[in-house]
Formats: sequence, structure tokens, C-alpha cells
Amino acid sequence: AQSVTQLGSHVSVSEGALVLLRCNYSSSVPPYLFWYVQYPNQGLQLLLKYTSAATLVKGINGFEAEFKKSETSFHLTKPSAHMSDAAEYFCAVSRPNQGAQKLVFGQGTRLTINP
Amino acid sequence: EAGVTQSPTHLIKTRGQQATLRCSPISGHTSVYWYQQALGLGLQFLLWYDEGEERNRGNFPPRFSGRQFPNYSSELNVNALELEDSALYLCASSSIPKRSLSNQPQHFGDGTRLSIL
Repeated sequence: AQSVTQLGSHVSVSEGALVLLRCNYSSSVPPYLFWYVQYPNQGLQLLLKYTSAATLVKGINGFEAEFKKSETSFHLTKPSAHMSDAAEYFCAVSRPNQGAQKLVFGQGTRLTINP
Repeated sequence: EAGVTQSPTHLIKTRGQQATLRCSPISGHTSVYWYQQALGLGLQFLLWYDEGEERNRGNFPPRFSGRQFPNYSSELNVNALELEDSALYLCASSSIPKRSLSNQPQHFGDGTRLSIL
């Protein structure tokens, strides 16, 4: 069975500082991995996805993530935080076959940006 | 391009009643997914429909059901509502390439907030 662990339910950084949100996965086969962001009272917006091409994936809003198979990790980073980045972030995994299209989500990390 | 649309935005019911939530996928998407986001429980997969058929189901009781229409829109029905059904219900859609095993990303609507009194 697949699972996703996001280390840290709350992360707080200063505006302009590095953002690092951690995600580790477990999967019996090489997974597909996704990061989504949820702003208050909204649905989920796709930030980026890893589908076995380049291990360093660039997404929207200046975010990127690196797939590290040896560490079973897919951490999300942004060099310089902006106030508008304050939101909840979800890492998700799916299996790359037709029979298991569901996404399995981590518990989420709430990112707070301090002025 | 219009995104995934869900209605209603908010729904208030009492215990024992039935609720119907609706979802229209992005044009060209044939797959619709339903997720429940309950306080303290995170995002849980409910149902997956593709081409009008139920393809996968999460660990939810049978009183959670749904269907997909020929235009690929979908309904989620919850019967005999219980207090713990209070949650944000998110619908997502994606396309599935016929000749590929690659997973297309799921695109989400803004959800229906269901409150059970």
C-alpha cells in the first residue's frame, strides 16, 4: 500500500527566506508524485508533478521539488518566500497504472509567512 | 478554459437526511474523482468514475454512492447523513490517455461544504 508522510504540520518562515516542506513516500512500485496547494475556502491547485522524467521538477509560483529515490523523498522548496505563499500544502502519490488512479495524500503542512 | 465546477457551495442538512452534490469536469476530461476532507482526517479518496463506470472506491460505507452521466458530470449522494459526514467534499477531473499508463494530474474544484446539524 502506498502512503505519504509530511514532516511538520506547521512550518513558519520569514518573508524572503527559504521554504522547505518535507514529503516522504512509501510505495511498492515507482510512484507518481504531486504537490498541491490549498488556499482558504478553495480547492486544491496543482503546483507540480513527478512522473519519472527529470528528478528535479519545476512548478508554478517559483516552487520546485526533487525526487530522491534513495531517500524516498519529494521535498518542496522555494528560494524566497512571499506573503502570498501562506496556505496549506499537500503531497500526494499515485500508482502509475490504470487500476489505481486514486491519489493518496499526506496530512498537509500549513505554511505561515512572517513579515 | 473553465475549471472543475461544484454545486452547491454550501449544504446544510440534518441527521438522517440525504445529500446530493454535483460536479462538472473540465471539458474533455472523462474521469471524475470524489474526495472527502474532514477536520482531523485529511483528504480521503471516495470514488472514481470514468466513462460512466465506477472504477475504484475508497473505504467508505455503501451509503456513499454516485454516478457519472453521459456528459461526464457526476453526482455524489450521501444517504442517512451522520454528524461525522460534515466535511468539504472535493471533486477532481482528469483525462486518461487511452494508449498510455501515465497518470494525468487531477484538477480540483473548490468543493462543497456539507454541514450536518
